[in-house]
Amino acid sequence: GQQLNQSPQSMFIQEGEDVSMNCTSSSIFNTWLWYKQDPGEGPVLLIALYKAGELTSNGRLTAQFGITRKDSFLNISASIPSDVGIYFCAGQANTNAGKSTFGDGTTLTVKP
Amino acid sequence: NAGVTQTPKFRILKIGQSMTLQCTQDMNHNYMYWYRQDPGMGLKLIYYSVGAGITDKGEVPNGYNVSRSTTEDFPLRLELAAPSQTSVYFCASSYSPGGGDTGELFFGEGSRLTVL
Repeated sequence: GQQLNQSPQSMFIQEGEDVSMNCTSSSIFNTWLWYKQDPGEGPVLLIALYKAGELTSNGRLTAQFGITRKDSFLNISASIPSDVGIYFCAGQANTNAGKSTFGDGTTLTVKP
Repeated sequence: NAGVTQTPKFRILKIGQSMTLQCTQDMNHNYMYWYRQDPGMGLKLIYYSVGAGITDKGEVPNGYNVSRSTTEDFPLRLELAAPSQTSVYFCASSYSPGGGDTGELFFGEGSRLTVL
């Protein structure tokens, strides 16, 4: 089946630092999505990407859909304590009825 | 709107017991999904449904069953619980007819299941 490799697995950063994480796949995806999961909650969508090469921002978050359609990255600028959580990438292929393949997540810890 | 509601939030089962995790959504979404999340891992798709009366296996369906008799409800059944089914289970939904398909999944808060 399709697999996503997400890295890094975890990050410990100082408040105010920038963060970068990425996902790579052996398969082509037509949609890339980035979610954040807070403790005890389900994941919530941060950014969705629909075209190869697309660069999309949502506040301090920026994500890009790789040209090859096999990768995506997420950047967080000027991190704050509430950025703590697990970030997941997810890919979708058009024919899969909205089924998403998820990466294993990047756990972010922000030290004040 | 309540979104996606899952019950129970926590449950402890003995090996061999059976139970049903309930999931309901009030967004008129066609698609519904069950994922499991093991510690340090991403979400693995167990079963999904594209509409009432239609279900299909995901990546890890063994040991589970589902039904979709209505648009709103998508229960997940564990028939003979095993320790390997200890996990956090998430129900999700997506796609409103006429609202376009953004690909976004809306998740419930999860059901934490422990099998001893």
